[in-house]
Amino acid sequence: GQNIDQPTEMTATEGAIVQINCTYQTSGFNGLFWYQQHAGEAPTFLSYNVLDGLEEKGRFSSFLSRSKGYSYLLLKELQMKDSASYLCAAQTGANNLFFGTGTRLTVIP
Amino acid sequence: NAGVTQTPKFQVLKTGQSMTLQCAQDMNHEYMSWYRQDPGMGLRLIHYSVGAGITDQGEVPNGYNVSRSTTEDFPLRLLSAAPSQTSVYFCASGGSRSTGELFFGEGSRLTVL
Repeated sequence: GQNIDQPTEMTATEGAIVQINCTYQTSGFNGLFWYQQHAGEAPTFLSYNVLDGLEEKGRFSSFLSRSKGYSYLLLKELQMKDSASYLCAAQTGANNLFFGTGTRLTVIP
Repeated sequence: NAGVTQTPKFQVLKTGQSMTLQCAQDMNHEYMSWYRQDPGMGLRLIHYSVGAGITDQGEVPNGYNVSRSTTEDFPLRLLSAAPSQTSVYFCASGGSRSTGELFFGEGSRLTVL
């Protein structure tokens, strides 16, 4: 079967750093995506990891360990606008994505 | 650049009615897909297409039909709506040769009474 686990909710303070973890078990794994979704809106692409290691993009970084089935998304210098759901998704074939249930992040002043 | 356009944005149906959710993309993407999003369930793949004339089932295909006659359009048909199909539906297309990133439409909120 296929499974992705990520925390349901997290709270962090404005200006701080937060790490959102994701573990996955899927068949035909090609790579790992992170998407951001604000309430009532469509998901938007944040990052993609296909090789082990860290990918950095501005305030956002994503890490992948294929041997451990583990990824994390690191958000630095948190801003109020970062309050959103963060979706971990495994690419399993063609461009198909298998999504976790998402982590709702609340940034407080 | 319009990207991925879905219509309608909101729809209320009665049980047993049929309807079609429209999806169009102007990025010349070969891959298109439909997901549904329910509270606590995450996004689940319904059907997908890797090119005109080619469609396949995803994780939750029952009760839905699709066709892909052109590269641009990928409609999702509900043949006989059921309350269990109350959900938010997202169409997505992709084609970036480097990442396979998906671009999502704004979503269609469907309520079946």
